[in-house]
Amino acid sequence: GAGVSQTPSNKVTEKGKYVELRCDPISGHTALYWYRQSLGQGPEFLIYFQGTGAADDSGLPNDRFFAVRPEGSVSTLKIQRTERGDSAVYLCASSSTGKDTEAFFGQGTRLTVV
Amino acid sequence: GDSVTQMEGPVTLSEEAFLTINCTYTATGYPSLFWYVQYPGEGLQLLLKATKADDKGSNKGFEATYRKETTSFHLEKGSVQVSDSAVYFCALRNSGYALNFGKGTSLLVTP
Repeated sequence: GAGVSQTPSNKVTEKGKYVELRCDPISGHTALYWYRQSLGQGPEFLIYFQGTGAADDSGLPNDRFFAVRPEGSVSTLKIQRTERGDSAVYLCASSSTGKDTEAFFGQGTRLTVV
Repeated sequence: GDSVTQMEGPVTLSEEAFLTINCTYTATGYPSLFWYVQYPGEGLQLLLKATKADDKGSNKGFEATYRKETTSFHLEKGSVQVSDSAVYFCALRNSGYALNFGKGTSLLVTP
């Protein structure tokens, strides 16, 4: 595709449920990032993939959050036992290899936990 | 740890006014600095960047200079347009690959 695609664009779930958020990066981009943006805040880093492996997952807030990228392309962010505090916009970005290469962001998934 | 502080908005300007959005950072070493912009209904886009001290990033009439002595990366534009209305984020990247963002500054330009 032309850009980073995230689905769904909106997700409403009940407290305690499990959710999966999907990210389709730009074709050929080996680096993939997940960020979380709460209302009135800047994006907060969650996890970084280089290829299939999570090179840095230091931003994941707790063990309810997990992300995979099994074939080095599409990634899924998984949240177990959702809490109201998990409500936020979840952003995905991808880039080609290299520290100062541009990261391209998707439009995000707005997660609301009720 | 590393952090970015940017001026709080919203900032409201008339068309053709001069824009400054202040950004300062705290970081060890020599981070790369970025400005991202989020237009209404769109995703974050890279506006400009600077990778070392005294570098000037520029794009679409916007400029920012990496000032290590004042740990700043202020965003400026000489004459804003209505189409510049957006949220602007200052960010840094240090030894890792993650971007560390400020809280964002909302800009509204009126005709």
